Amino acid sequence: GQQLNQSPQSMFIQEGEDVSMNCTSSSIFNTWLWYKQDPGEGPVLLIALYKAGELTSNGRLTAQFGITRKDSFLNISASIPSDVGIYFCAGSNNAGNMLTFGGGTRLMVKP
Amino acid sequence: DGGITQSPKYLFRKEGQNVTLSCEQNLNHDAMYWYRQDPGQGLRLIYYSQIVNDFQKGDIAEGYSVSREKKESFPLTVTSAQKNPTAFYLCASSIARQGPGETQYFGPGTRLLVL
Repeated sequence: GQQLNQSPQSMFIQEGEDVSMNCTSSSIFNTWLWYKQDPGEGPVLLIALYKAGELTSNGRLTAQFGITRKDSFLNISASIPSDVGIYFCAGSNNAGNMLTFGGGTRLMVKP
Repeated sequence: DGGITQSPKYLFRKEGQNVTLSCEQNLNHDAMYWYRQDPGQGLRLIYYSQIVNDFQKGDIAEGYSVSREKKESFPLTVTSAQKNPTAFYLCASSIARQGPGETQYFGPGTRLLVL
């Protein structure tokens, strides 16, 4: 079946630093989604990408849908302590709206 | 307010006992999903339903059962056949349509612990 490789698995950065994480797939996706999960809570949608090459921003967050449709990245600029959490990528290929999730990137920010 | 609610927040289960986790949405979404999350892991699909009175097995359906009698409700039963039920359970919903994958919105989750 499809697999999403998300990297890095974890990051420990200083407040104010920029962060970059990415997901790669063995097959093509038509939609890429990025979620953030706080401890003990459900994932919250950050950015949705629907078109190859698309670059979308949401405040300090920027995500891109790779041209090959097999990858996506998420950047966070000028990190702050509340950015702490687990970030998940998810892809869909029109198969009944099913999503395939990456393993998550755990972000820790040192004040 | 529109959204997805899950209850209870924490649930304790004795060995050999069935328990049911509630998921309700008032977003008028057609599709609903159940995921399991283990510590430090991603999300794995248990069951999903695209329409009332119909549901499909996901990747890890063994030991679980669901029903979809109403559009807004999709309860998950963890049966005694599930040998390792301790996990964080997440419910999600989306507008089911053809074409690009529709965004899934998640509830706050239920943490299940086996005594």
